[in-house]
Amino acid sequence: GEDVEQSLFLSVREGDSSVINCTYTDSSSTYLYWYKQEPGAGLQLLTYIFSNMDMKQDQRLTVLLNKKDKHLSLRIADTQTGDSAIYFCAETLGEDNTGKLIFGQGTTLQVKP
Amino acid sequence: KAGVTQTPRYLIKTRGQQVTLSCSPISGHRSVSWYQQTPGQGLQFLFEYFSETQRNKGNFPGRFSGRQFSNSRSEMNVSTLELGDSALYLCASSLGGLAGNNEQFFGPGTRLTVL
Repeated sequence: GEDVEQSLFLSVREGDSSVINCTYTDSSSTYLYWYKQEPGAGLQLLTYIFSNMDMKQDQRLTVLLNKKDKHLSLRIADTQTGDSAIYFCAETLGEDNTGKLIFGQGTTLQVKP
Repeated sequence: KAGVTQTPRYLIKTRGQQVTLSCSPISGHRSVSWYQQTPGQGLQFLFEYFSETQRNKGNFPGRFSGRQFSNSRSEMNVSTLELGDSALYLCASSLGGLAGNNEQFFGPGTRLTVL
């Protein structure tokens, strides 16, 4: 089935780490993505992970993938007020690389000064 | 390199009218995908075009259609607008290859309001 689930809201203090979680259902997903959306804007691609990887680090961002549990997380180190936004995880389905992304509902990250 | 551009950015229409939205992909990208974003349904895939051919389609009624031109620019059309078509319409471009990562880069969206 096609379903991606995320918690809807996360609030952290500036300087803390944020962890945004996502679960997906398609065990044959090949690529999983994290996007950021600021108010009134489109989606900004943050990072992605290939399904045969466990972890990927990119500056302040760390993506962890637990393929057995179909669980994906995005950790933002030293969270800043500029990180306040909606974060979406998305998957491609199996071998389908024809542009169809399945998105979660989005997690609103609130960073308090 | 310029990003994905969408025009117009804002649009107000009335029920029953039709609308055409335009998307210019990143130079060199041959694939354009369209998504609808609403508070209730979230982000939903509409369709994807590659080399002027529709390669994939989501679960939307036939009132939603699209096309792609030889320069990879794409348009989507919605006919007989309904109130529920009010949404942010996002397009994304990618290289479009079927093998390997196919990162999609999004435009700023067109905000459509149907009255």
